[in-house]
Amino acid sequence: EAGVTQFPSHSVIEKGQTVTLRCDPISGHDNLYWYRRVMGKEIKFLLHFVKESKQDESGMPNNRFLAERTGGTYSTLKVQPAELEDSGVYFCASSQDVERISEQYFGPGTRLTVT
Amino acid sequence: GQSLEQPSEVTAVEGAIVQINCTYQTSGFYGLSWYQQHDGGAPTFLSYNALDGLEETGRFSSFLSRSDSYGYLLLQELQMKDSASYFCAVREGSYKLIFGSGTRLLVRP
Repeated sequence: EAGVTQFPSHSVIEKGQTVTLRCDPISGHDNLYWYRRVMGKEIKFLLHFVKESKQDESGMPNNRFLAERTGGTYSTLKVQPAELEDSGVYFCASSQDVERISEQYFGPGTRLTVT
Repeated sequence: GQSLEQPSEVTAVEGAIVQINCTYQTSGFYGLSWYQQHDGGAPTFLSYNALDGLEETGRFSSFLSRSDSYGYLLLQELQMKDSASYFCAVREGSYKLIFGSGTRLLVRP
């Protein structure tokens, strides 16, 4: 079974530019999550999809961040325009169903550096 | 507010036993999870406790006391490959995980 994959693994952009991160969850996992870890800090929840619907986006920092999940499969997280404080590692995770929702499978992350 | 406290670093020798503690204060609580992350890798699910008591999975065990808002991860027969960061995470709502800042475990020969 293939794990959660994320693309790109690294991205270096300048302040004001746009970046789009992609996440492919484990096949069959309806629940998809985005998290972020800023340098030295804890991993923080950004948002949660159930299939194509956003269930909770309370962790999204501001309206420069836009997440979508087309057709309930892969998801994208766009940052536009990027700011210096957006630098960090962005993780995507997925889980199978409500009963096993605590067992979230994480991708390797995308390391975003905004200069 | 929400907070999870765990030690920032722990060092132990190969073959030994180590315990990583986690205390939490969150607005909601469904259970406590533990994740392992090697440098540059993905956080990997280790265990989940919803009820008080000890859960054992091979060399790893996890404990929860809801009344004390406290849990720990116990690693036995430490191996060099166990060197990694370990995160406790509270399942706050039906799905949301709130993470601690992680404990870096260094296993020495």
